[in-house]
Amino acid sequence: QKEVEQDPGPLSVPEGAIVSLNCTYSNSAFQYFMWYRQYSRKGPELLMYTYSSGNKEDGRFTAQVDKSSKYISLFIRDSQPSDSATYLCAMKADRGSTLGRLYFGRGTQLTVWP
Amino acid sequence: NAGVTQTPKFQVLKTGQSMTLQCAQDMNHNSMYWYRQDPGMGLRLIYYSASEGTTDKGEVPNGYNVSRLNKREFSLRLESAAPSQTSVYFCASNLLTRYGYTFGSGTRLTVV
Repeated sequence: QKEVEQDPGPLSVPEGAIVSLNCTYSNSAFQYFMWYRQYSRKGPELLMYTYSSGNKEDGRFTAQVDKSSKYISLFIRDSQPSDSATYLCAMKADRGSTLGRLYFGRGTQLTVWP
Repeated sequence: NAGVTQTPKFQVLKTGQSMTLQCAQDMNHNSMYWYRQDPGMGLRLIYYSASEGTTDKGEVPNGYNVSRLNKREFSLRLESAAPSQTSVYFCASNLLTRYGYTFGSGTRLTVV
């Protein structure tokens, strides 16, 4: 079982839709949770960063972490064609032998059509 | 502020040839990483350097070597390239353990 599971999609939605992206994980030591956005032929860029459980909002983006279920989500409101990209979840532990190492999901490819 | 710079951006190698991928960061970050990204496989860690002077293997180290030349630079070497090493290679860095990574723009490598 991979440390982090993410449905690769692809996901295709109309402009203005609410998008929900999700990841599950198995390591209870994970405390730092991130979402990266990767445009075609570019490197990943950090989009959202959350420590432990709870919600974090930044403009049209909301990240949620449910540690009891080992489940994280990224919501995109009023989606735009410019949001078309691959979204990767990532997480890391705050203790143990894997300290500092970032574990990635495989990424979900999102297309927002006008 | 350039962030993480990778060279070259594209490379075609013949099987058995060697090459070094270069990575440099100008953010005074402590840790640096090399990943490869393949369709359907996501990002896989090849090697990392938690701090200057140290390097450790990641998930897929076979066929690769690394050098942390100084705090800024972390190179990845393919001694004898194989078609299975055709991939997009990303270098990344971060300041402290709890922080996210900053990625370079990648090197697209094809081995024929």
